[in-house]
Amino acid sequence: GEEVAQTPKHLVRGEGQKAKLYCAPIKGHSYVFWYQQVLKNEFKFLISFQNENVFDETGMPKERFSAKCLPNSPCSLEIQATKLEDSAVYFCASSSLAGGLEQFFGPGTRLTVL
Amino acid sequence: GESVGLHLPTLSVQEGDNSIINCAYSNSASDYFIWYKQESGKGPQFIIDIRSNMDKRQGQRVTVLLNKTVKHLSLQIAATQPGDSAVYFCAEKEYGGSQGNLIFGKGTKLSVKP
Repeated sequence: GEEVAQTPKHLVRGEGQKAKLYCAPIKGHSYVFWYQQVLKNEFKFLISFQNENVFDETGMPKERFSAKCLPNSPCSLEIQATKLEDSAVYFCASSSLAGGLEQFFGPGTRLTVL
Repeated sequence: GESVGLHLPTLSVQEGDNSIINCAYSNSASDYFIWYKQESGKGPQFIIDIRSNMDKRQGQRVTVLLNKTVKHLSLQIAATQPGDSAVYFCAEKEYGGSQGNLIFGKGTKLSVKP
C-alpha cells in the first residue's frame, strides 16, 4: 500500500498478558522501524529491520519484547507478560532508503495495560 | 547519551502569521535531520528533511534552516493556518551511520489562533 498500516488501533491487556501488534510497511520499502511513544511525548526507538533481518535491536527490552518481519506477512511486535509501563503508543515506520532516511510512520497502536 | 531537544515547548501564533519552531541538537556526528508534524491521535507526518551539506531547504510553505556551527535547526511555516496546529518534532541521525534509527526531540506544540 501507499501508507504504513498498523493494527489494531487500540489494544487493552491486563498486566501479565501478551500483546501482539502488526505493521504493514509501504509497498517496496525494505526498512521497518518500531518506536514507542509515551504520554504523547518522546519517541523511543525499539528495533529495526532490513527485509526480514534485524538491523538494529539496541532499543529492545529483550526479556519481554520480540519482533519479526517475515516475507509476505505483516511485521509484528510482541510483548510477553505486559507491564503497566508498557502502556504507550507503538509506531511503525518504513523507508525505502538505506541508512534510515525518510521514514514514514503509521497511525500507531495504542496499548493500554491495566 | 546525546539527544535532540527543543527550545520552546509551546508556541501560539495568529492565523496568517509566520511560525518558527526551533530545535537544538547535541550530537556533532548527526548530519541528517527531519521535521515531523503529529496531530492528536495520529502518527508523525513527514514534513521536510535536510542533510548537513545544506543550510536551507524549502518545501511548500515550509523552510528548514540548519546551523551546524551552533547545532541548531529551525522550521519556518509561512502563513500559518489552523490546520497547522499540531505538535512538531525534530529528529536526527547520523547519515550513513550503522544505526538507522531516528533520535527525536521533545516536541513543540503549535497552536494557531483564528
